[in-house]
Amino acid sequence: DAGITQSPRHKVTETGTPVTLRCHQTENHRYMYWYRQDPGHGLRLIHYSYGVKDTDKGEVSDGYSVSRSKTEDFLLTLESATSSQTSVYFCAISGKDQPQHFGDGTRLSIL
Amino acid sequence: QQQVKQSPQSLIVQKGGISIINCAYENTAFDYFPWYQQFPGKGPALLIAIRPDVSEKKEGRFTISFNKSAKQFSLHIMDSQPGDSATYFCAAKGNTGKLIFGQGTTLQVKP
Repeated sequence: DAGITQSPRHKVTETGTPVTLRCHQTENHRYMYWYRQDPGHGLRLIHYSYGVKDTDKGEVSDGYSVSRSKTEDFLLTLESATSSQTSVYFCAISGKDQPQHFGDGTRLSIL
Repeated sequence: QQQVKQSPQSLIVQKGGISIINCAYENTAFDYFPWYQQFPGKGPALLIAIRPDVSEKKEGRFTISFNKSAKQFSLHIMDSQPGDSATYFCAAKGNTGKLIFGQGTTLQVKP
């Protein structure tokens, strides 16, 4: 809706496998964010980026890494997926001092 | 200090009634308080937001009431409609620029 595309939308994988989720924006916004959503926890920030190659940790960053080599793409990687990382993952974007707008999420199941 | 506590967890309201969702925070550095609405299978969408220099903001049927001294804010949905059935999240942002979300409230409006 706000020019944000998340891929894949659904993924099922096995414990111990690497997983990469992609967030692509067409808004040329500086800030990009990765959240996970779990029942009873709301949305929790995993990592965020404030520019190309500029990233920082959020509240629940353990087990996750990110990369941003282009303004439009922000990748979230689970190096070795665990069952506790089963969740719905949302990407958000914003301009400076602007509200965050969210993508439609990736539902990730780790068996 | 960084938490935002949201209640109730779930809410059932009759069509035409008033839905009220409450949030409380501790960090007095928070200076921006948005509410997001989320439908199943979609990402959260910004509904309405307030800054602490005003005590109330109204947009159509949606009103935020803000009590700075009590560190509480609430969302009121007047004349609730079945189409308002969704999950609602409050959030707060301070000088770190990061949004801290409440746990979410699932609202069901019965016809």
